[in-house]
Amino acid sequence: AQKVTQAQTEISVVEKEDVTLDCVYETRDTTYYLFWYKQPPSGELVFLIRRNSFDEQNEISGRYSWNFQKSTSSFNFTITASQVVDSAVYFCALSEARNTDKLIFGTGTRLQVFP
Amino acid sequence: ETGVTQSPTHLIKTRGQQVTLRCSSQSGHNTVSWYQQALGQGPQFIFQYYREEENGRGNFPPRFSGLQFPNYSSELNVNALELDDSALYLCASSWVNEQFFGPGTRLTVL
Repeated sequence: AQKVTQAQTEISVVEKEDVTLDCVYETRDTTYYLFWYKQPPSGELVFLIRRNSFDEQNEISGRYSWNFQKSTSSFNFTITASQVVDSAVYFCALSEARNTDKLIFGTGTRLQVFP
Repeated sequence: ETGVTQSPTHLIKTRGQQVTLRCSSQSGHNTVSWYQQALGQGPQFIFQYYREEENGRGNFPPRFSGLQFPNYSSELNVNALELDDSALYLCASSWVNEQFFGPGTRLTVL
């Protein structure tokens, strides 16, 4: 069965600190996709990244970076120099390769960035 | 703004009633998925529609049903509401592996 675990329920940091959100997944599939979404208080899920299981290169997008390690089934997300606008709930998700619209979400990590 | 809209924004119902939630997808998106997000939890996949046919279902009872219309808009119907149905209901439309979520409908069952 597929499962996503986000062990950190809530993280609080002060602005400009770096923060890493952990994600561990379980799947028997050899091909799958991993995602990160941001959910601000408005409720709408904002897509951040999608990563194919065959692509283990780390990715950087501005202040965001992702570390995919297949050996440990982890897909961690780091925000560098956090800002108050980064405050939100962040979800890691997993899908089968044949249906990338059917997402299995973790329980989310609430990030609070204080000024 | 993802171009996916949902109505109503909020809804209050009593146990045993029926509810219909609506989703208008991005133009041209032929696939729509519905998710239920209970408070403090991640979204859970309910079902997906592709070109008006159900194309996959999560672990939800038959009283959760849906429709997709020729213009690809969609409805989620829930019969015999239970207290545990209180949640944020999200719809997402997609086209060629790009999925966009709407703002959700918050349903409260009293």
